[in-house]
Amino acid sequence: DAKTTQPPSMDCAEGRAANLPCNHSTISGNEYVYWYRQIHSQGPQYIIHGLKNNETNEMASLIITEDRKSSTLILPHATLRDTAVYYCIVRVAKYGNKLVFGAGTILRVKS
Amino acid sequence: DAGVIQSPRHEVTEMGQEVTLRCKPISGHNSLFWYRQTMMRGLELLIYFNNNVPIDDSGMPEDRFSAKMPNASFSTLKIQPSEPRDSAVYFCASSPFDRANYGYTFGSGTRLTVV
Repeated sequence: DAKTTQPPSMDCAEGRAANLPCNHSTISGNEYVYWYRQIHSQGPQYIIHGLKNNETNEMASLIITEDRKSSTLILPHATLRDTAVYYCIVRVAKYGNKLVFGAGTILRVKS
Repeated sequence: DAGVIQSPRHEVTEMGQEVTLRCKPISGHNSLFWYRQTMMRGLELLIYFNNNVPIDDSGMPEDRFSAKMPNASFSTLKIQPSEPRDSAVYFCASSPFDRANYGYTFGSGTRLTVV
């Protein structure tokens, strides 16, 4: 699976959009981009995933560049409860394929 | 849907003792994963099962660790004998068999302290 690069930490003001970048320049054509987050002391939580098209769900939006070498997770209106570690993971989407976590980005939402 | 259920939530044991962590995956999920999380090493995949069969145990640190999945609704991770460096939070996760690009669901974890 391709490796990803994320900034170690970011700050965001409450109510503003949080834009979390991820670089995955060695991504292969059959690899998806997944985002998870981990709020303190809890298990990781799935947020969203995509292959090449932009995706949106009730939690966030995922913007993938046309060359697929980078992506951005957008939390449109960040709240204090969005403070967490956010993980960007690239993997082939086949059943039971393992999910390998990197260091992630610590997002601090401040009032 | 009760989610992935792990027990116990907290475990404190003395060095040398046997420790057994338990996991009940979501009904219908055919893949199960055990992770360990520490400050130093982050989230590490220890082992995973597909249809109750261990597929990759390359992350298991040493022979003191063993995992079983006797049926689709139950898995255990055992450490014997335990050591202080095994102190960590252990997470179990499951995912569906037939939805290849579906996200994993994690349990709340077991915080293990070996003294």
